[in-house]
Amino acid sequence: GAGVSQSPSNKVTEKGKDVELRCDPISGHTALYWYRQSLGQGLEFLIYFQGNSAPDKSGLPSDRFSAERTGGSVSTLTIQRTQQEDSAVYLCASTEQTGLNSPLHFGNGTRLTVT
Amino acid sequence: DAKTTQPNSMESNEEEPVHLPCNHSTISGTDYIHWYRQLPSQGPEYVIHGLTSNVNNRMASLAIAEDRKSSTLILHRATLRDAAVYYCILRDAGNAGNNRKLIWGLGTSLAVNP
Repeated sequence: GAGVSQSPSNKVTEKGKDVELRCDPISGHTALYWYRQSLGQGLEFLIYFQGNSAPDKSGLPSDRFSAERTGGSVSTLTIQRTQQEDSAVYLCASTEQTGLNSPLHFGNGTRLTVT
Repeated sequence: DAKTTQPNSMESNEEEPVHLPCNHSTISGTDYIHWYRQLPSQGPEYVIHGLTSNVNNRMASLAIAEDRKSSTLILHRATLRDAAVYYCILRDAGNAGNNRKLIWGLGTSLAVNP
């Protein structure tokens, strides 16, 4: 079946511009995560959505970052006034259940380059 | 800081077994040991997880030390497609907040020689 889909796969933007990154989770998956993977660093948690519950935004690095999930499915991560340090691969993952050991299914990420 | 430590890189020959070690000396009683791998230009892929007992699935085996302070991912016959970065992470099944904020280290980059 279809996996987690992210778009665009690559995005180059100028410093100061806003960008939107999209994630289509696997159909029926209730939990959705955003992570950031910077060069030479491990994955960094950004935000978590679970059903209709309030999202866990504790990983967002600044107020320039925001995310929403509409209708419990598609999610959009928005970065305003991008900075060069925002350059990274942004990964989205979803899980089938709320079980704390449910495997995360990742998309292939959006590679963001801020020039 | 990552709660696990892994060698930066390892090398193996095709069709030979590979043992990828992971140390997690500060593991708590509710932490499950999970392994993921990441092929080039792809997102991480789930491999296996366990708590105390050794686990087997179609991809790999997981051997967990009796004191749970270390574990080993075993690929029984490496193929060229197994060349990837392998991540060992701990998931706290006792705390949902901690559980979702998985702390990923840099993993082990596995090279497989033909």
